[in-house]
Amino acid sequence: SQQGEEDPQALSIQEGENATMNCSYKTSINNLQWYRQNSGRGLVHLILIRSNEREKHSGRLRVTLDTSKKSSSLLITASRAADTASYFCATGPTGANSKLTFGKGITLSVRP
Amino acid sequence: DAGVIQSPRHEVTEMGQEVTLRCKPISGHDYLFWYRQTMMRGLELLIYFNNNVPIDDSGMPEDRFSAKMPNASFSTLKIQPSEPRDSAVYFCASSDSGRALYEQYFGPGTRLTVT
Repeated sequence: SQQGEEDPQALSIQEGENATMNCSYKTSINNLQWYRQNSGRGLVHLILIRSNEREKHSGRLRVTLDTSKKSSSLLITASRAADTASYFCATGPTGANSKLTFGKGITLSVRP
Repeated sequence: DAGVIQSPRHEVTEMGQEVTLRCKPISGHDYLFWYRQTMMRGLELLIYFNNNVPIDDSGMPEDRFSAKMPNASFSTLKIQPSEPRDSAVYFCASSDSGRALYEQYFGPGTRLTVT
């Protein structure tokens, strides 16, 4: 079963706007990660946030984590056409385990 | 580094044939993962290895699927016999527990079509 559930399933915005994507999960986690997948390519790691962190930034990316609500959000500021891709959240379980469980992804389209 | 390398990139085969997918992880990475991606089921973890040893194969769909990692730089995923429902994109990923255990680096994938 899927651990991470992304919301919305698809998002279409204008270049320059901000894109916000959400992820909810069910069980306790060690970390939560966001990956990007361009069409026909493999997934690329974007950012990791640990369970004891609440917010993290990387360039135009901002990730928040609320462990009480078992949810995370990914904000892409000042979006570009090149940000068009599918975005996945992935959760890492507690314990010494590197196994990740991925959601089904969000399709982001950024219109030039 | 060249990244994770997978071959072939595309494979078309007939039902009942044996299919072998190959993966070369990033040098120095001690974890290797095999995933399958379909529209219906999303990205599913099939099996993963640590230091060439299979740790969790609970995601392998059935006995038709097998995976090996004979050394630190090579892994195979074999399907025998193949069925149309095996059609999917298969990804290999690796990670380095010494630097960033939880960050996985994906290969470009093998698109398998079974007719």
